[in-house]
Amino acid sequence: QKEVEQDPGPLSVPEGAIVSLNCTYSNSAFQYFMWYRQYSRKGPELLMYTYSSGNKEDGRFTAQVDKSSKYISLFIRDSQPSDSATYLCATLNRDDKIIFGKGTRLHILP
Amino acid sequence: DTGVSQNPRHKITKRGQNVTFRCDPISEHNRLYWYRQTLGQGPEFLTYFQNEAQLEKSRLLSDRFSAERPKGSFSTLEIQRTEQGDSAMYLCASSATAQTYEQYFGPGTRLTVT
Repeated sequence: QKEVEQDPGPLSVPEGAIVSLNCTYSNSAFQYFMWYRQYSRKGPELLMYTYSSGNKEDGRFTAQVDKSSKYISLFIRDSQPSDSATYLCATLNRDDKIIFGKGTRLHILP
Repeated sequence: DTGVSQNPRHKITKRGQNVTFRCDPISEHNRLYWYRQTLGQGPEFLTYFQNEAQLEKSRLLSDRFSAERPKGSFSTLEIQRTEQGDSAMYLCASSATAQTYEQYFGPGTRLTVT
């Protein structure tokens, strides 16, 4: 089992919709969880990080961690065409390495 | 611009040639990381530096790859005798030691080996 699993998509939603992006992870010891946004042919951009369980909100973005099910989510409200990108979930393993999912390609349709 | 910078942005080379990439991290960050990303995959860890010391290398980093960070500031990644399988995006990231979860990436160097 891979340490972080993520559906690659693509996921297409109409502008203004709420987007839900999800990942699962394998090791219950992981404590830090990150979401990166990556535009085509660019480097990943850190959107948010959370520690342990719970929610964290930043503008239109909400990150959620459920440690009981080893499930992490990113919600995007009022989605915009500029949100079209690949979203990478990631976690920090016990060796202090970031382990990334494969990324989910998101298309927001105008 | 105080972010991570990488040069060149694109490199096309012929199989068997050597290539070198440069990364300039965020100035107050003492950790510097190299990753490789292929199409449809997330970045994969290659190696990292704490100041000028290279502390870990992934098994993905064959002996044709070498990285340096001579003065604890910028870093270079060299690939010798390039192979077509080396074609990928090479990403650099930096962080403060106490916040390794908060890594900031550069724009990457896209390598194409023909």
